[in-house]
Amino acid sequence: EPEVTQTPSHQVTQMGQEVILRCVPISNHLYFYWYRQILGQKVEFLVSFYNNEISEKSEIFDDQFSVERPDGSNFTLKIRSTKLEDSAMYFCASLGPSDGYEQYFGPGTRLTVT
Amino acid sequence: ILNVEQSPQSLHVQEGDSTNFTCSFPSSNFYALHWYRWETAKSPEALFVMTLNGDEKKKGRISATLNTKEGYSYLYIKGSQPEDSATYLCAPWSYNQGGKLIFGQGTELSVKP
Repeated sequence: EPEVTQTPSHQVTQMGQEVILRCVPISNHLYFYWYRQILGQKVEFLVSFYNNEISEKSEIFDDQFSVERPDGSNFTLKIRSTKLEDSAMYFCASLGPSDGYEQYFGPGTRLTVT
Repeated sequence: ILNVEQSPQSLHVQEGDSTNFTCSFPSSNFYALHWYRWETAKSPEALFVMTLNGDEKKKGRISATLNTKEGYSYLYIKGSQPEDSATYLCAPWSYNQGGKLIFGQGTELSVKP
């Protein structure tokens, strides 16, 4: 069964460093999302991406964040200069043209900023 | 901002117990409700997508009901097993929120053998 994959599973970085979180969505999917969950809080939406551009972003998704689909298979989230409060589990999700609104999630990347 | 509430936040039951949890959401502009099951270190897995008022869906020992007029959904697990231990997330989807899912805080279920 097709699945969304994410790498790495855990990333530790120092404050101020850049990180790139990688996702490989399901191959025929067209809509891509990033969500995150800070420990003890709700899963919250960051950004949606369709047709090679951002379709919506939340207030969290400021200038420090960017997304890219560089090669038609990977979908990346970059944080330019990480802060302690960026520590969270980051989930990628994708949605296909005939999935009736069911988003398929990856297993997440746990980002720890020290 | 859509306010989604789930209760209880956590639940500890014995194997064989039946249990249920609630998801409350604003009923205006409702389109669909998603239930996800999330085990640690795994991908959140979609259980149900429900759209119609009065809808009831079932998958094995897990079932869910939907009331769109009053804005709630119940998830039931009959005869809980240790493998049911997970966090159960609901995410209603409204016409005016684009494609994004807005999640409740989840119900963490722990089933003891």
